[in-house]
Amino acid sequence: NAGVTQTPKFRVLKTGQSMTLLCAQDMNHEYMYWYRQDPGMGLRLIHYSVGEGTTAKGEVPDGYNVSRLKKQNFLLGLESAAPSQTSVYFCASSYVGYPYNEQFFGPGTRLTVL
Amino acid sequence: DQQVKQNSPSLSVQEGRISILNCDYTNSMFDYFLWYKKYPAEGPTFLISISSIKDKNEDGRFTVFLNKSAKHLSLHIVPSQPGDSAVYFCAARSGANNLFFGTGTRLTVIP
Repeated sequence: NAGVTQTPKFRVLKTGQSMTLLCAQDMNHEYMYWYRQDPGMGLRLIHYSVGEGTTAKGEVPDGYNVSRLKKQNFLLGLESAAPSQTSVYFCASSYVGYPYNEQFFGPGTRLTVL
Repeated sequence: DQQVKQNSPSLSVQEGRISILNCDYTNSMFDYFLWYKKYPAEGPTFLISISSIKDKNEDGRFTVFLNKSAKHLSLHIVPSQPGDSAVYFCAARSGANNLFFGTGTRLTVIP
């Protein structure tokens, strides 16, 4: 049982380049999330999904797109990377509803945009 | 605007003593509060939670207290151990299990 995995672990991009971050979970969770963590800002929700084929905007969605084509995968895309998107990105997943509020996090992807 | 705040960026405690980490929130609609622990180069891991209808929840060495009137919660770790050294995030739930995180408190337990 791998839990939540993220690919890649590290990436350096130049401004304007695109990339996709992959998140996979093997816990059959309905909900999946993408967060970014910046110094002094805590974790902020980018986008989330409440089931296969669904996506919704979180707190800081601009500049990102997501897709949930399969229940176990949640992809985060940057179409034209900017230096402001330099951050550590965390994926998480959870069961539906009460009391399963716990979100399980992946190890993170450190992205640097030059 | 930060809805969940952790005003102490760091805390140092002697091994065996009590660690108290604090968290304040502004949104009275939050219905569930959680504490996560994070080691360097790892994702956050769930530690303990509390529903808004309770004022205390205990799990071994960890106790979370909730004061709804003050919009304040705290995490007590007794006794503190060197392995507890990590960054602790307070989080509050709203809507479709969405979490709002505080900025974290780095706890250092000194042997």
